[in-house]
Amino acid sequence: NAGVMQNPRHLVRRRGQEARLRCSPMKGHSHVYWYRQLPEEGLKFMVYLQKENIIDESGMPKERFSAEFPKEGPSILRIQQVVRGDSAAYFCASSPRDGSYEQYFGPGTRLTVT
Amino acid sequence: QQQVKQSPQSLIVQKGGISIINCAYENTAFDYFPWYQQFPGKGPALLIAIRPDVSEKKEGRFTISFNKSAKQFSLHIMDSQPGDSATYFCAALTPYSGAGSYQLTFGKGTKLSVIP
Repeated sequence: NAGVMQNPRHLVRRRGQEARLRCSPMKGHSHVYWYRQLPEEGLKFMVYLQKENIIDESGMPKERFSAEFPKEGPSILRIQQVVRGDSAAYFCASSPRDGSYEQYFGPGTRLTVT
Repeated sequence: QQQVKQSPQSLIVQKGGISIINCAYENTAFDYFPWYQQFPGKGPALLIAIRPDVSEKKEGRFTISFNKSAKQFSLHIMDSQPGDSATYFCAALTPYSGAGSYQLTFGKGTKLSVIP
């Protein structure tokens, strides 16, 4: 029973390029969350999605960031025109259903912007 | 505005000792309080969690104590082992109106080192 999968694990981008991060939730899970972790900091909520719907994007910057969770395939967090301040670890979590409290995290994608 | 305050920032404990990490929150709407363990280069792993209607929960060597009136909760690790050396995060779950699932607000973490 595979856990939450994220790829790539490490991503290096130059300033101005696009970063695309992928997340496959645990089998049977239909809720996906994205969090960002800066060095020596806790995780900060970015966005919560269900299949084909963005439920809450209150933690996501208004510009350059977008997220989707299509009917088929993984959830994708997309960062356009990356800047050095976007360097962080990005974690995806999934939970199984409405009303479920537990969130299970993937191994994360470490984005470095040079 | 930090809604979950965690202390201490770092903790050194001798093998076999008790590790205690504390968290305080402000938002009385929080409805679920998990603890996560994170090793370097890995994702956070759910360790143990408690609901506000319970004052204590124990799973193996890990215990959560919860004080609703003081808006505080703590993690106790009994018989601490070198393998417990990791960063521990407390969190609190915010109900999100209109949907059945919630977002987590994390503390800043406690780096625990258990020395032999």
